[in-house]
Amino acid sequence: QSVLTQPPSVSAAPGQKVTISCSGSSSNIGNNYVSWYQQLPGTAPKLLIYDNNKRPSGIPDRFSGSKSGTSATLGITGLQTGDEADYYCGTWDSSLSAEVFGGGTKLTVL
Amino acid sequence: QVQLVQSGAEVKKPGSSVKVSCKASGGTFSSYTISWVRQAPGQGLEWMGRIIPILGIANYAQKFQGRVTITADKSTSTAYMELSSLRSEDTAVYYCARGGSSRPFDIWGQGTMVTVSS
Repeated sequence: QSVLTQPPSVSAAPGQKVTISCSGSSSNIGNNYVSWYQQLPGTAPKLLIYDNNKRPSGIPDRFSGSKSGTSATLGITGLQTGDEADYYCGTWDSSLSAEVFGGGTKLTVL
Repeated sequence: QVQLVQSGAEVKKPGSSVKVSCKASGGTFSSYTISWVRQAPGQGLEWMGRIIPILGIANYAQKFQGRVTITADKSTSTAYMELSSLRSEDTAVYYCARGGSSRPFDIWGQGTMVTVSS
């Protein structure tokens, strides 16, 4: 059971937009920055979003992040087949003194 | 450009230990935080612990306390994760990553598959 809650799967057609939610509590998302990671099949995770809404160099602006209260959201616009991957949210949990992740969301681009 | 290169796959017997290495190239190794994250087959990401090489201080997730040891050798820019008393549930890909201490995991190693089987 993951500390952060994500939907197991989402899907949308190419060119469309999708959002992935990540729900937590005041001990994690509510008081700490959220990051998002993309994991393509058979590869290591890759940082997509950090500090709630910042993109590392090289990440297209089709990817966006937001946070409100104890929830965070990853948005992806202009979906491409290459976006099919597992997406994870992560943050620090002050009560657990540990980094915590969501269970992951599998994105299917139909 | 910082890169993290991990050691190769391991097959271990239940009850034994495994030690995985993570060598950094580029950047200033000592100033990083290096974390270890594992992923069981078909499962999500699980943080195990971290080390700040310049301080030599490691912190561990409660679940792994007493079974995991994370160390760093500044002279070779290499971090290590040793997991003892292995059981089948420890079968997973183990990743090292730069980050933790409230910083994002921005650089990842390629992963090391550890299989625990009798």
